[in-house]
Amino acid sequence: YELTQPPSVSVSPGQTARITCSGDALPKKYAYWFQQKSGQAPVLVIDEDSKRPSGIPERFSGSSSGTTATLTISGAQVEDEADFYCYSTDTSGHHGVFGGGTKLTVL
Amino acid sequence: QVQLVESGGGLVKPGGSLRLSCAASGFIFTDYYMTWIRQAPGKGLQWISYISASGSVTYYGDSVKGRFTISRDDANKSVYLQMDNLRVEDTAVYYCARVAHSGAPGDYWGHGVLVTVSS
Repeated sequence: YELTQPPSVSVSPGQTARITCSGDALPKKYAYWFQQKSGQAPVLVIDEDSKRPSGIPERFSGSSSGTTATLTISGAQVEDEADFYCYSTDTSGHHGVFGGGTKLTVL
Repeated sequence: QVQLVESGGGLVKPGGSLRLSCAASGFIFTDYYMTWIRQAPGKGLQWISYISASGSVTYYGDSVKGRFTISRDDANKSVYLQMDNLRVEDTAVYYCARVAHSGAPGDYWGHGVLVTVSS
């Protein structure tokens, strides 16, 4: 089972960045999104398709429709530059999979 | 506060074994699934294994099934990853993470430990 993300997304500061994640099981399984800055452990930024964990800025939002989940960063800031990964499971729920990651550039 | 601290990484030859440990604190350990996730140098994240809160159920990714074993010791609030028959492609930073009640594989992560498999 695979999740497909674009390798890179680039926006100017203040613009909206959208990162997609495609997978056949996404209509039945939640997507989760992680942000990983250089040299650091990943941080959960979106839980269960669209829930924002405590401490995550409101500009981060998530949605899912059909086989595609989307992470949206409204008004992206320079400090948001990072690699972003989606995660979900296969239909059995027993095997996890990460997308290949998307490098977000804000400049 | 929640803390996860991995240990046990290092350099090992192909075919060798290594046991990673993850010491947990700051939460009720027995209430949570735990997971191991790895990241090869310059590459993306790869889910490796889950263990249930009771320890009775374990799941593995295809790339490590039959070679790696996850376990937990509730008395010591620790989770382990026994890695046998290691391959060069197992070289990675290995992260221990707590599985959120929602199912997210990592509402809290350790700092990671480097495993290098090389002759």
